[in-house]
Amino acid sequence: DVKVTQSSRYLVKRTGEKVFLECVQDMDHENMFWYRQDPGLGLRLIYFSYDVKMKEKGDIPEGYSVSREKKERFSLILESASTNQTSMYLCASRVSPLPQHFGDGTRLSIL
Amino acid sequence: KQEVTQIPAALSVPEGENLVLNCSFTDSAIYNLQWFRQDPGKGLTSLLLIQSSQREQTSGRLNASLDKSSGRSTLYIAASQPGDSATYLCAVPDSGGSYIPTFGRGTSLIVHP
Repeated sequence: DVKVTQSSRYLVKRTGEKVFLECVQDMDHENMFWYRQDPGLGLRLIYFSYDVKMKEKGDIPEGYSVSREKKERFSLILESASTNQTSMYLCASRVSPLPQHFGDGTRLSIL
Repeated sequence: KQEVTQIPAALSVPEGENLVLNCSFTDSAIYNLQWFRQDPGKGLTSLLLIQSSQREQTSGRLNASLDKSSGRSTLYIAASQPGDSATYLCAVPDSGGSYIPTFGRGTSLIVHP
């Protein structure tokens, strides 16, 4: 069974900090995704990666960057955290065009 | 760009009822359609995948149908149970080759005993 693991379930950080959210998958999937999910707004795609060292902007990339140095790991970076980045962050992986497998999410609070 | 709408946004029913959740999409040139379940504070779990050539898929008490021409899919839940309480989302991959899914905002379901 596919396992997508996000490093933290809950995270509290301060405004201005550099924040790293990590995601690891164990099924050699080429594609990986980062979403944020907010009440009333649904899932919004931040960045996705087709393969190692490849990345594409999603719908809301501002204030975020990503890193994919190894196939199994996709990191989301908040360069300078702000309160409006408080949200639930979800990572997913897949072999296109099959359905994505999601991690359990990281609930991030920026104070 | 594909738009996906789910109706109703919320549903509260007594245990045992048969339920219909609706999903509509604007671009009928879809490759497949996916239904997911999300429990509170958790990630999404894939429930059913319907290929564009199929009209329905079944898994246990769940049945999903697809009508591409009208841009609609329905998720039918038979004999609902409290354990079915969750948010149900549908997703449609874009037709441009990347297959990046567009998600609906979901239907929040509560089944009370």
